[in-house]
Amino acid sequence: IAGITQAPTSQILAAGRRMTLRCTQDMRHNAMYWYRQDLGLGLRLIHYSNTAGTTGKGEVPDGYSVSRANTDDFPLTLASAVPSQTSVYFCASSVEGGAAHGYTFGSGTRLTVV
Amino acid sequence: GQNIDQPTEMTATEGAIVQINCTYQTSGFNGLFWYQQHAGEAPTFLSYNVLDGLEEKGRFSSFLSRSKGYSYLLLKELQMKDSASYLCAVGDSNYQLIWGAGTKLIIKP
Repeated sequence: IAGITQAPTSQILAAGRRMTLRCTQDMRHNAMYWYRQDLGLGLRLIHYSNTAGTTGKGEVPDGYSVSRANTDDFPLTLASAVPSQTSVYFCASSVEGGAAHGYTFGSGTRLTVV
Repeated sequence: GQNIDQPTEMTATEGAIVQINCTYQTSGFNGLFWYQQHAGEAPTFLSYNVLDGLEEKGRFSSFLSRSKGYSYLLLKELQMKDSASYLCAVGDSNYQLIWGAGTKLIIKP
């Protein structure tokens, strides 16, 4: 692969269940990001990581957690899913943290919480 | 607060020219991006402006005026495959990208 892989592609999840969305990149990018995209709203940043071992909160972090144990992987966990977390989730990466570099996006995970 | 405004939807004719505007109010400015997103797909990078003026890249051009908080994306010789959403994003003082809601461009034959 050359880019970012997200899994699963789509998922229907019962409210209250725990779920981890996976994201792996093979470009050796230092910075990685998780966004959610909802109809009529712009992409909203959930969490980010500027380098392996560090993470930060974005605009809408509540109900989500992340880890960055190595450069390639950046999983997003919903500890106890709620219907308002129904959304399309995109993982992205850039060479370095900071807006001066373009972002590469994964193909997204469509999550429905019922 | 931080805000990115762009039209919700635009319609244009195949072969024509269309201009998609973006106005922004952010805490600081570290560049403006345009991305293209086809329905059901991931956003893909189109352009990056950090200085005032016009950047041309094939059929696509992007313009920036920092004093006016304004940018536009110009698409020439429209093709059916240009039907997509176009997302404007601005880097703020913390170097985080603030995204507009996107402009859905519909191309008619």
